[in-house]
Amino acid sequence: DVKVTQSSRYLVKRTGEKVFLECVQDMDHENMFWYRQDPGLGLRLIYFSYDVKMKEKGDIPEGYSVSREKKERFSLILESASTNQTSMYLCASSFMAGVETQYFGPGTRLLVL
Amino acid sequence: EDQVTQSPEALRLQEGESSSLNCSYTVSGLRGLFWYRQDPGKGPEFLFTLYSAGEEKEKERLKATLTKKESFLHITAPKPEDSATYLCAVLSNSGYALNFGKGTSLLVTP
Repeated sequence: DVKVTQSSRYLVKRTGEKVFLECVQDMDHENMFWYRQDPGLGLRLIYFSYDVKMKEKGDIPEGYSVSREKKERFSLILESASTNQTSMYLCASSFMAGVETQYFGPGTRLLVL
Repeated sequence: EDQVTQSPEALRLQEGESSSLNCSYTVSGLRGLFWYRQDPGKGPEFLFTLYSAGEEKEKERLKATLTKKESFLHITAPKPEDSATYLCAVLSNSGYALNFGKGTSLLVTP
């Protein structure tokens, strides 16, 4: 079974803090993704990575950066957290480009005060 | 621009009352259409992938079908444990990432 894990289920941070969200997959997948999910807006892509050290901006990259130093790990960084970044963050991975299914982690619910 | 629209937004069924959820899409070349189930506070759980019009897939009480413009998720004789949000997503020729609809929230009452 594919397993995607995220470092925290819940996080509470203060405005202006630097926040790290980590995602690890154990299936040697090439592609990894970060989404955020908000009521009424659905899932929106923040960033994705198709190989180690490679990244592409998604639909809403502003205020975020990512790091992929190892194939199994993909980190999302909020450089200076703001209240409008309060959301559910979901990581996903897929084996390769094309029509491969994306498998999701359990999510991190982030509250920025 | 790719678009995915799910309807209805919410659906309430009695246990055993069959129904269908709709996912309409507009994409520049469909590579795959995906159905996921999401329980509150959890990540989406993969259900089905459909690749071409006419394709159908089944899993327990769920059956997914695909045409050139839409997909249906048919739920036969649902049980309360089928209550969840069902998400539809498409992958087009133009990129790597899924484009999600906003989901249908299904409640099945005993």
